[in-house]
Amino acid sequence: EDKVVQSPLSLVVHEGDTVTLNCSYEVTNFRSLLWYKQEKKAPTFLFMLTSSGIEKKSGRLSSILDKKELSSILNITATQTGDSAIYLCAVDLNTGTASKLTFGTGTRLQVTL
Amino acid sequence: NAGVTQTPKFRVLKTGQSMTLLCAQDMNHEYMYWYRQDPGMGLRLIHYSVGEGTTAKGEVPDGYNVSRLKKQNFLLGLESAAPSQTSVYFCASSSSGSLSYEQYFGPGTRLTVT
Repeated sequence: EDKVVQSPLSLVVHEGDTVTLNCSYEVTNFRSLLWYKQEKKAPTFLFMLTSSGIEKKSGRLSSILDKKELSSILNITATQTGDSAIYLCAVDLNTGTASKLTFGTGTRLQVTL
Repeated sequence: NAGVTQTPKFRVLKTGQSMTLLCAQDMNHEYMYWYRQDPGMGLRLIHYSVGEGTTAKGEVPDGYNVSRLKKQNFLLGLESAAPSQTSVYFCASSSSGSLSYEQYFGPGTRLTVT
């Protein structure tokens, strides 16, 4: 059974802290790993990773994939209260057609003043 | 450009009632998906469609039916609602080709079955 596990389940940090969120996976046919941010409603896309060791960056957020360890991390530096959200990790299974995402349960991040 | 929209936003059903959730996208995407999100379970794929007139089962299809009569719409039906179907339902769409991995999500429908 395909499985995606995220840790920690929840995290409370002070504004300005740096956080690292973890995602590990066991799937039969890996194509890519994706990170989404979910605030009040719809998840919004952050990163897609397919190759090991290549860091993706967007402002204060960055992510990297380790295919040998079957894992990925999402780093957020200089956190702000607007970073408070659920961060979802998903693995895209190679089915030959549409992307079929298997999601982890998410990490709930709360950034306090 | 509205992206992905869902109706209704909220609904309360009694056990045994039926309803249809509507998803619409205006991005001309080929692929559309229905997910449910439950506390502690993450998002789980119910059904998906790779094009007009086609549908396929996802991870948790039992108790749901879908139809894709028009490219821009994807309907999710509950024929006889059960309390276990209380959840938040998200629709998503993605393009075909090299960018098919990026799924765009709708705002969700919160369904309560009593």
